[in-house]
Amino acid sequence: GQSLEQPSEVTAVEGAIVQINCTYQTSGFYGLSWYQQHDGGAPTFLSYNGLDGLEETGRFSSFLSRSDSYGYLLLQELQMKDSASYFCAVRGNSGNTPLVFGKGTRLSVIA
Amino acid sequence: DGGITQSPKYLFRKEGQNVTLSCEQNLNHDAMYWYRQDPGQGLRLIYYSQIVNDFQKGDIAEGYSVSREKKESFPLTVTSAQKNPTAFYLCASSGPRLGNEQFFGPGTRLTVL
Repeated sequence: GQSLEQPSEVTAVEGAIVQINCTYQTSGFYGLSWYQQHDGGAPTFLSYNGLDGLEETGRFSSFLSRSDSYGYLLLQELQMKDSASYFCAVRGNSGNTPLVFGKGTRLSVIA
Repeated sequence: DGGITQSPKYLFRKEGQNVTLSCEQNLNHDAMYWYRQDPGQGLRLIYYSQIVNDFQKGDIAEGYSVSREKKESFPLTVTSAQKNPTAFYLCASSGPRLGNEQFFGPGTRLTVL
């Protein structure tokens, strides 16, 4: 099976940088994804790492180390609208098997 | 516009009643999923379907049922056997390639009174 661990809460100041870590245990591995969910809304896709290294998309970056079963999401130049829950997720066996989600990290951005 | 629709947004039911949540997608995706989310929790998989007329149980399938008669539609029935049905229900779909994101519908918030 799969399990993921991420911090439950993080607080950061507007304009700062924050890193949300995720460690995982899987029987197979087909990449690590990150999703953002605002209160009352649906999760939306942020990034995917299939191979080791850093993927950058604007203010957001995601990193993966398969040897360490570890990844992180890096948010730069934090804005108030970044306050949300962030979930890491893995697929088990193939591209069409369901994502297994961590319990999420609630990010609060303060002025 | 391509996407996933779920209806209704809010649903209230009396204890002991079955209720069916709608999920429709026009993304031409083969795979569809149902997740349940409780306050402050992650998403837990209820059922998923990789192709029409086929579906598999997820981690918390007890008290739920699904059907997949059409590619576009994957309705979820919350039965009276579900002990604690009040939750936020999310439907999702995905394409075939590794790394393809799962697209989520807006969700249905079910409250059982």
